[in-house]
Amino acid sequence: QKEVEQDPGPLSVPEGAIVSLNCTYSNSAFQYFMWYRQYSRKGPELLMYTYSSGNKEDGRFTAQVDKSSKYISLFIRDSQPSDSATYLCAMSGGYSSASKIIFGSGTRLSIRP
Amino acid sequence: NAGVTQTPKFQVLKTGQSMTLQCAQDMNHEYMSWYRQDPGMGLRLIHYSVGAGITDQGEVPNGYNVSRSTTEDFPLRLLSAAPSQTSVYFCASRAIGGPTQNEQFFGPGTRLTVL
Repeated sequence: QKEVEQDPGPLSVPEGAIVSLNCTYSNSAFQYFMWYRQYSRKGPELLMYTYSSGNKEDGRFTAQVDKSSKYISLFIRDSQPSDSATYLCAMSGGYSSASKIIFGSGTRLSIRP
Repeated sequence: NAGVTQTPKFQVLKTGQSMTLQCAQDMNHEYMSWYRQDPGMGLRLIHYSVGAGITDQGEVPNGYNVSRSTTEDFPLRLLSAAPSQTSVYFCASRAIGGPTQNEQFFGPGTRLTVL
């Protein structure tokens, strides 16, 4: 079983829809949770970063962490065609330099105009 | 501030050839790492370094070597290329310690094909 599971999609929604992207994980030591966005033929870029449980909002994006269920989500409101990309969740155990960042396999999202 | 740079962008090798993928960062980050990305597999850690002169293996290190002689540079060497090493390779860097510990920055990637 992978430490981080993510539905690969593809997920296709109409412009303006609310998008929900999710990951589950098995390692209860994870405390830092990240979402990366990767456009085609580009490197991943950090989108959202949260610590422990709770919500964090940044414009149209909301990251949600439920540590009791080992489940994290990224919500995109008023989705735009420019949001079409692969979204990777990632998580880490702590501040130690030995803490590796573990990535999900990514969900491919397409926003239809 | 160029961030993380990688060269070359594309490379085609024959089985058995060797080559070095270059990576450099100008953010004075202590931590640098190499990932490969394959369809359905996500990003898998090959090797990483927490500072000049210090390297360690990641999840899939076989067939790859690294060294870290300076803070800025972290080259990845393929000793004898195999078709299984066909992939997209990403270099990444981040600070160690402090609130930005887990904010990792990626380079644009190198697309490698081994025939």
